[in-house]
Amino acid sequence: SAVISQKPSRDICQRGTSLTIQCQVDSQVTMMFWYRQQPGQSLTLIATANQGSEATYESGFVIDKFPISRPNLTFSTLTVSNMSPEDSSIYLCSVYASGGEDEQFFGPGTRLTVL
Amino acid sequence: GESVGLHLPTLSVQEGDNSIINCAYSNSASDYFIWYKQESGKGPQFIIDIRSNMDKRQGQRVTVLLNKTVKHLSLQIAATQPGDSAVYFCAEGGVRNFNKFYFGSGTKLNVKP
Repeated sequence: SAVISQKPSRDICQRGTSLTIQCQVDSQVTMMFWYRQQPGQSLTLIATANQGSEATYESGFVIDKFPISRPNLTFSTLTVSNMSPEDSSIYLCSVYASGGEDEQFFGPGTRLTVL
Repeated sequence: GESVGLHLPTLSVQEGDNSIINCAYSNSASDYFIWYKQESGKGPQFIIDIRSNMDKRQGQRVTVLLNKTVKHLSLQIAATQPGDSAVYFCAEGGVRNFNKFYFGSGTKLNVKP
């Protein structure tokens, strides 16, 4: 299993500013992902955070809006840039760990409110 | 991404009854499926998974059924308890999806004592 922590757990931000969310895993993992969960809705995959190369973004998400870093196998950041109220959401970090029992684990999420 | 179960129904059951939560997935190339439970204010929690070479898998009080012909998953919870109240999501993915997982819209399970 993998234990994932995220910082901050929540934040309230002003329109036009940027917020960087950190994700720390307690073990080395190959695959890390970032999801968004808007209020009352399901999870939407934003991107795959690739170690040593640029992140791979899903349709509808772009690097300029959601730059991602992955400097090593246990850490990643997601930045929400030039925020608007529509960016208010929960942002979740996830890892896929393959081993005896393949599993995808999630962090607790970062609840972002943009005013 | 793929479209998985575009509804968010609410299922209300009496404590002790069995619950069945359904999910439709869209990508026939998906070969690995996971059910998650999400409680308020928390990240999704893994419940049970199933690979495409199986049609049924059982855990403790939970059973997942996979029907690849109609691209349908179900989660059965036996003897539902108040602690089972949460939102349940199915997710499709697997090696052919580069281990990326796409989520359904979820079902809210409300267990009445």
